[in-house]
Amino acid sequence: DIQMTQSPSSLSASVGDRVTITCRASQSISSSLNWYQQKPGKAPKLLIYTASSLQSGVPSRFSGSGSGTDFTLTISSLQPEDFATYYCQQSYSTPTFGQGTRLEI
Amino acid sequence: EVQLVESGGGLVQPGGSLRLSCAASGFTFSRYWMHWVRQAPGKGLVWVSGIYTDESTTGYADSVKGRFTISRDNAKNTLYLQMDSLRADDTAVYYCASQRAPYTTTSVFDPWGQGTLVTVSS
Repeated sequence: DIQMTQSPSSLSASVGDRVTITCRASQSISSSLNWYQQKPGKAPKLLIYTASSLQSGVPSRFSGSGSGTDFTLTISSLQPEDFATYYCQQSYSTPTFGQGTRLEI
Repeated sequence: EVQLVESGGGLVQPGGSLRLSCAASGFTFSRYWMHWVRQAPGKGLVWVSGIYTDESTTGYADSVKGRFTISRDNAKNTLYLQMDSLRADDTAVYYCASQRAPYTTTSVFDPWGQGTLVTVSS
């Protein structure tokens, strides 16, 4: 299976900050990378698919980039509702997730 | 409104069985690859199983292969997960999730159900 590694595992930030989360695949996955947001006690929500496509209804402050093995999720200006855990997931082969990045104040 | 609602979770003893259901509404269920993803308490997300539109193709994580069986009833708009020989490390919230686009096999999960908790303990 393809291993997905996120960094950092946790991140402290403030409202208005620009934040970047990184995801690295153990082998090339082209652009087959998706990002999810999960809040405590809730189901994950799709934010970005195929590395850089914004899911309908997701605010434009979220963006994704990368290809091959290295990917990033950027939040341009943090809002209070963005404090959550973020997961990357590869859809190149049998799906696997990163371990998550907890974004906290 | 697109909605997925899981049911069937609960407390079961090691070695026991449980059947989860996921009722879909608000979209043409028969056109979408469907999946189960689980999350152990305080842990990350793990894909468990997926099934194509007509049940012709199914997939399983190695950790559940031979013990879990995924199925669907397109007439009832319902996805199932039969879980046998349950172990303590199967304890998790189980989410059903739809493929984002119809008739595709690329695993992008949207939307997700609210999840159902399965606890395996004596």
